[in-house]
Amino acid sequence: DVKVTQSSRYLVKRTGEKVFLECVQDMDHENMFWYRQDPGLGLRLIYFSYDVKMKEKGDIPEGYSVSREKKERFSLILESASTNQTSMYLCASNLDSYNEQFFGPGTRLTVL
Amino acid sequence: DAKTTQPTSMDCAEGRAANLPCNHSTISGNEYVYWYRQIHSQGPQYIIHGLKNNETNEMASLIITEDRKSSTLILPHATLRDTAVYYCIVRASGTYKYIFGTGTRLKVLA
Repeated sequence: DVKVTQSSRYLVKRTGEKVFLECVQDMDHENMFWYRQDPGLGLRLIYFSYDVKMKEKGDIPEGYSVSREKKERFSLILESASTNQTSMYLCASNLDSYNEQFFGPGTRLTVL
Repeated sequence: DAKTTQPTSMDCAEGRAANLPCNHSTISGNEYVYWYRQIHSQGPQYIIHGLKNNETNEMASLIITEDRKSSTLILPHATLRDTAVYYCIVRASGTYKYIFGTGTRLKVLA
């Protein structure tokens, strides 16, 4: 079974802190994705990566950056956390763009 | 990607079939219909997808109308563990992007 793991289930940070969210997949998938999920807004794509060191902006990249130094790992970085970045963050991966995405369990981030 | 419309919520009795509708009237010829579900506090889980023909797997069946403007996800014998939000997504094969709407909240009642 494909496994997508995220470093934390719950995280509390202060405004202005730099925040790292880590995602690891164990099935040699090419593509990895970061979404955020907010009530009434569904899932929104922040960034995705289709290869090591390659990234593309999604619909809401402002305030975020990403890093993919190894194929299995995709990191989401909040350079200076703000309260409006309080959300559920979901990582996903797929073998290629013709296949379904597999999601991690999510990280619920609260920024105070 | 085509937009989808789903009912906000539905109830289903345990052991009965749950039929979840989805409208995608602007779907293009190369766009697939995908279904995912999200159980509370977990990440979305892939269920099934199809292009034109009806599809079945161990979790569910997908019925797509001949004009492809709507589809129905069928859970043949719903259990309490099927209580979740179900998302219908339309996307073109070979594209990266999924557009998740707000889905249908299915509640299976004992």
